[in-house]
Amino acid sequence: SQQGEEDPQALSIQEGENATMNCSYKTSINNLQWYRQNSGRGLVHLILIRSNEREKHSGRLRVTLDTSKKSSSLLITASRAADTASYFCATAESGNTGKLIFGQGTTLQVKP
Amino acid sequence: EAGVAQSPRYKIIEKRQSVAFWCNPISGHATLYWYQQILGQGPKLLIQFQNNGVVDDSQLPKDRFSAERLKGVDSTLKIQPAKLEDSAVYLCASSLGGGFFEQYFGPGTRLTVT
Repeated sequence: SQQGEEDPQALSIQEGENATMNCSYKTSINNLQWYRQNSGRGLVHLILIRSNEREKHSGRLRVTLDTSKKSSSLLITASRAADTASYFCATAESGNTGKLIFGQGTTLQVKP
Repeated sequence: EAGVAQSPRYKIIEKRQSVAFWCNPISGHATLYWYQQILGQGPKLLIQFQNNGVVDDSQLPKDRFSAERLKGVDSTLKIQPAKLEDSAVYLCASSLGGGFFEQYFGPGTRLTVT
């Protein structure tokens, strides 16, 4: 079953612009993770934010988490053509094995 | 550090045939996962191993899919017999322990069932 719902499903922007993707989930979580997948390849971990954290940064990435609204956002600043990929949020539910449940993903296209 | 290795990268079989995928995780990673990713969707967990024990296989179609993890290291995923709807990318991932850590993914095996 898919827990995360991502919005938008697809996003197209110009190089240099910022890209924002949102993720909503349904149950209590231990952490939320974001992954990137380039066409035809495996997923690459971007960032992990724990349930007691509200914001986290990594280079040009900024992730926020609002556990009261059960939502997260991923912001990519000053986007580059190389950022073109699919982005997935994944939630690790509280109190279990910590299995990750992935959303459907947002496809980002950055035009040069 | 070597990444997660998977083979084969591509496989085409006819329905009702059998197929096997192999995965070698990152050295020292206790947890190994197999995911199925259908085109246009996010990965769906099929089975999670902790060392050589199964932690979660709730979404594994056990009438046709089986998996094992040998000596807590390499793993194989088998489908027998395959159906058309099994066409997907099968991803293997490993982590230090459960969903509380980041997962490292292999390149995947693209299966086409005709």
